Amino acid sequence: QQQVRQSPQSLTVWEGETTILNCSYEDSTFDYFPWYRQFPGKSPALLIAISLVSNKKEDGRFTIFFNKREKKLSLHITDSQPGDSATYFCAASEGNYQLIWGSGTKLIIKP
Amino acid sequence: EAAVTQSPRNKVAVTGGKVTLSCNQTNNHNNMYWYRQDTGHGLRLIHYSYGAGSTEKGDIPDGYKASRPSQENFSLILELATPSQTSVYFCASGDLRDWGGPTYEQYFGPGTRLTVL
Repeated sequence: QQQVRQSPQSLTVWEGETTILNCSYEDSTFDYFPWYRQFPGKSPALLIAISLVSNKKEDGRFTIFFNKREKKLSLHITDSQPGDSATYFCAASEGNYQLIWGSGTKLIIKP
Repeated sequence: EAAVTQSPRNKVAVTGGKVTLSCNQTNNHNNMYWYRQDTGHGLRLIHYSYGAGSTEKGDIPDGYKASRPSQENFSLILELATPSQTSVYFCASGDLRDWGGPTYEQYFGPGTRLTVL
């Protein structure tokens, strides 16, 4: 079965530090990898995404690093803020309009 | 701005009863999805649709039916609700768009919290 794995399940980081969230996948046909963020009591929303043609994608304090050979991605959040506290989901798609979701990482940023 | 609405937002049902969750999108997206979210499982796909009149089984379809009578509306039906179906249900819509490489975004509704007693 296609799987997307995330680690750690939960993470606590001090304000101002860099947060690193990890994601790995198995299926070589995946070519698009979005990260969604879900605040408590809210619905998931797209944060940042990367495709197979790129090794890195930046958007402000958020950066995806992509190691295609090892089938691993990581989401880096620099200068982490308490407002970044949320659950982060990594997902993958093979172009069929479906997303395969990881189980999420719950992030807490302490002031 | 993408708009997906769900009703009801909260529902308490009895075991064996019929429950219908409704979803409406004004994005004119072809694809719509129903997920359930439980602690430790992330988002699990129940049913999805490629357009009006189409419904497809997702990863966990047992105990659920879906209906897509129009482009805008997608319903999830629990014919005989069970306590194991207590969960938060999200509807989403999505379509393909280009930004220099194909991308795909799903827009989520606010969710429905269902409790089956």
